[in-house]
Amino acid sequence: DQQVKQNSPSLSVQEGRISILNCDYTNSMFDYFLWYKKYPAEGPTFLISISSIKDKNEDGRFTVFLNKSAKHLSLHIVPSQPGDSAVYFCAASVIPGTYKYIFGTGTRLKVLA
Amino acid sequence: DTEVTQTPKHLVMGMTNKKSLKCEQHMGHRAMYWYKQKAKKPPELMFVYSYEKLSINESVPSRFSPECPNSSLLNLHLHALQPEDSALYLCASSVTGTADTGELFFGEGSRLTVL
Repeated sequence: DQQVKQNSPSLSVQEGRISILNCDYTNSMFDYFLWYKKYPAEGPTFLISISSIKDKNEDGRFTVFLNKSAKHLSLHIVPSQPGDSAVYFCAASVIPGTYKYIFGTGTRLKVLA
Repeated sequence: DTEVTQTPKHLVMGMTNKKSLKCEQHMGHRAMYWYKQKAKKPPELMFVYSYEKLSINESVPSRFSPECPNSSLLNLHLHALQPEDSALYLCASSVTGTADTGELFFGEGSRLTVL
């Protein structure tokens, strides 16, 4: 039973264009969401987070949107750069500090030069 | 120092061996985690230590034995593993309490192969 799903296993985008990565969840108790990027042979690195009291959070080229009624979040990367090519995981938690983060299945992003 | 350091990076062991994975952080984080990740799958939570005490065990088989000797170190002792236990084992840490941003800091992982 996958509580956090990323239905697109892969995505290819031209350099300079927008990348949109999607994530759906089933547990309505989830209250806090994070996005991680993972390069091969490295651990995941934190990108951006959002709590359920917001519907949008921005950090530079990265914006996360949350639609609680649809149990859906998305990560927008604008403009996309070749160095953004990696696997992206969304993760969800009930609240920060409960330590139990459930990761999505991942989307492999390839940004084409 | 914003690093989580894991050793060894690669480990090959037989089913009768006993080995350990080690994890270290010096960021003052008081929560430390072990995750297991198989190919093309998301990281799966195994154990969480909070203030050096085991707070979450996700029904992990007893052939995996975690240990948190102090606030900077986390070990995972391995004994009588099965070939299906071959995976990337990720250690992570996070701040606890009111300063908690929910961010996990991951190490690079230890790639385990069980023959």
